[in-house]
Amino acid sequence: EVQLVESGGGLVKPGGSLRLACSASGFTFSKAWMSWVRQAPGKGLEWVGRVKSKTDGGTVDYAVPVKGRFTISRDDSKDTLYLQMNSLKSEDTAVYYCSYYYDSSNDPPFFDYWGQGTVVTVSS
Amino acid sequence: EIVLTQSPGTLSLSPGERATLSCRASQSVDSKYLAWYQQKPGQAPRLLMYGASSRATGIPDRFSGSGSGTGFTLTISGLEPEDFAVYYCQQCGDSPYSFGQGTKLEIK
Repeated sequence: EVQLVESGGGLVKPGGSLRLACSASGFTFSKAWMSWVRQAPGKGLEWVGRVKSKTDGGTVDYAVPVKGRFTISRDDSKDTLYLQMNSLKSEDTAVYYCSYYYDSSNDPPFFDYWGQGTVVTVSS
Repeated sequence: EIVLTQSPGTLSLSPGERATLSCRASQSVDSKYLAWYQQKPGQAPRLLMYGASSRATGIPDRFSGSGSGTGFTLTISGLEPEDFAVYYCQQCGDSPYSFGQGTKLEIK
């Protein structure tokens, strides 16, 4: 059974930092393209960023609002995805989801697995 | 950056009716990378369609998708009570990826 379990959310002051983790099990994590998606209270889904599998280049891309402040990384030896968030702003307040959405070695390559979400609140 | 615009913002229909949701892109999207998601309150999104017109695992055939280039459509034929939710299109072909702002499908 595929499981994605996020951790690390909480309350942080503006300008502060937080690191989210997404622990994966039940699939070959090293082959997975993983993404972070967030949802502010009462708002729609917002893509945060994505990391490809190392086999596919390991490329990381970010949404414009978080580029330069957030860093996505992965540890395939621990089956864990990370989101390092620095210089946090009030507008970063949201539920953060990790998602396993793609494996280029599979046909079809698209998957639909999500964590339960972790709440990040940026407030003084 | 590709901007996805969904319409209408809210759609009020009755069970049994047909729903047509639109997603327009600011520039051409490779249809292989156009997806539709459903989200209910308090839940993570659920993938409905990928590749614009392929149903994800376990999605009933009353859901269908079509379109290419800059215009895509999700159609739900014969609405069931459990279909009332918020629907998002997403493109994951060009980085940065993007979601539309969502269409809320509500019971009339």
